[in-house]
Amino acid sequence: DAGVIQSPRHEVTEMGQEVTLRCKPISGHNSLFWYRQTMMRGLELLIYFNNNVPIDDSGMPEDRFSAKMPNASFSTLKIQPSEPRDSAVYFCASSPGPSTAKNIQYFGAGTRLSVL
Amino acid sequence: GENVEQHPSTLSVQEGDSAVIKCTYSDSASNYFPWYKQELGKRPQLIIDIRSNVGEKKDQRIAVTLNKTAKHFSLHITETQPEDSAVYFCAASIEGNMLTFGGGTRLMVKP
Repeated sequence: DAGVIQSPRHEVTEMGQEVTLRCKPISGHNSLFWYRQTMMRGLELLIYFNNNVPIDDSGMPEDRFSAKMPNASFSTLKIQPSEPRDSAVYFCASSPGPSTAKNIQYFGAGTRLSVL
Repeated sequence: GENVEQHPSTLSVQEGDSAVIKCTYSDSASNYFPWYKQELGKRPQLIIDIRSNVGEKKDQRIAVTLNKTAKHFSLHITETQPEDSAVYFCAASIEGNMLTFGGGTRLMVKP
């Protein structure tokens, strides 16, 4: 398996533009997580899905952020409109699911977002 | 919700020395405690984990201890090498649920 795949790896955009980050989890994994990492705030969980259903989105900073998981192999994180303070590395992670004995999270390579 | 505190935030050791990173958690229901290593510009990767039914786990030069009564757990790295230099994150969760990460420890191993 190629692991968790994120795209794009780097995104540079201007304030006010819409940004869409994409994630393909490991095949067979039932849980998917979106994180944001900054120097100031560390690793923050934004939202996670079990079996394509959002379970906890309390970490989503505000209404400008939205996430979807239309099927088991694809998820998006959208920021509209983007702001400079959204600049961060966004990681997607997947895990086998809460019913499994070894529920390890595997991270993608991340998307480095810069909002100018 | 769960809160995880991690100390120290930075740690510098001489090659060959040991390094210890400590974490405390707040939710007594947490029962799964993984440790992740993140090298510069890379993704976090699991290096070791422990569940609440054991007090210690070891894998070559790394070991993790857990004290459920005190709600703290620690990572021990022995015989440190320059390639151990990275940011280390502890985390806690109720198995199968989301992870709450500590703030990270930047470990620098000086040759």
